Amino acid sequence: DAEITQSPRHKITETGRQVTLACHQTWNHNNMFWYRQDLGHGLRLIHYSYGVQDTNKGEVSDGYSVSRSNTEDLPLTLESAASSQTSVYFCASSSPGLGYNEQFFGPGTRLTVL
Amino acid sequence: GDSVTQMEGPVTLSEEAFLTINCTYTATGYPSLFWYVQYPGEGLQLLLKATKADDKGSNKGFEATYRKETTSFHLEKGSVQVSDSAVYFCALIGMDSSYKLIFGSGTRLLVRP
Repeated sequence: DAEITQSPRHKITETGRQVTLACHQTWNHNNMFWYRQDLGHGLRLIHYSYGVQDTNKGEVSDGYSVSRSNTEDLPLTLESAASSQTSVYFCASSSPGLGYNEQFFGPGTRLTVL
Repeated sequence: GDSVTQMEGPVTLSEEAFLTINCTYTATGYPSLFWYVQYPGEGLQLLLKATKADDKGSNKGFEATYRKETTSFHLEKGSVQVSDSAVYFCALIGMDSSYKLIFGSGTRLLVRP
């Protein structure tokens, strides 16, 4: 069955370190998204991509970057981790041809920056 | 810009009680509206959706009606179960076809036996 996976599921790192969170989907979806979830804020969009070599900034993109070299993967990089980036991160994907633009979510990565 | 406002939680109910979680939105035109559910330790799952005014989305006993006149999409269930305990998110995708979901802050539901 098609799915979307994230790794690692849990990560503890130190301030200033570079961290990369992986997202892999087998739906063959063109659209991929990264969100962070914080109490009281719901989910906020960090970056998104509509296809290979396409990336766009979302609402809270400062301190994050993404690259899209193939359809299946959209890794999220924290260039220099900060304590404010402690959060739960979700990856999602969707297809323009899918009815109602439904997004499918991964299980999440809990990141703690000490 | 587009936005979604949900009622504050947590909402605590006894099993078999009636549930309403309020959701209102601000957007131009006719956005698509969604309810997502997040069970403990899991990602979000689509619960139901509606894409035009007066549409009713339904799934697993939950319902929500797209009300253009009140810009609302309230979630209801006639009889909740303990297994419905989760966080519920209202969301929209605007008419600019950007495929980007805009979420409310989420409402935690706790159902007691």
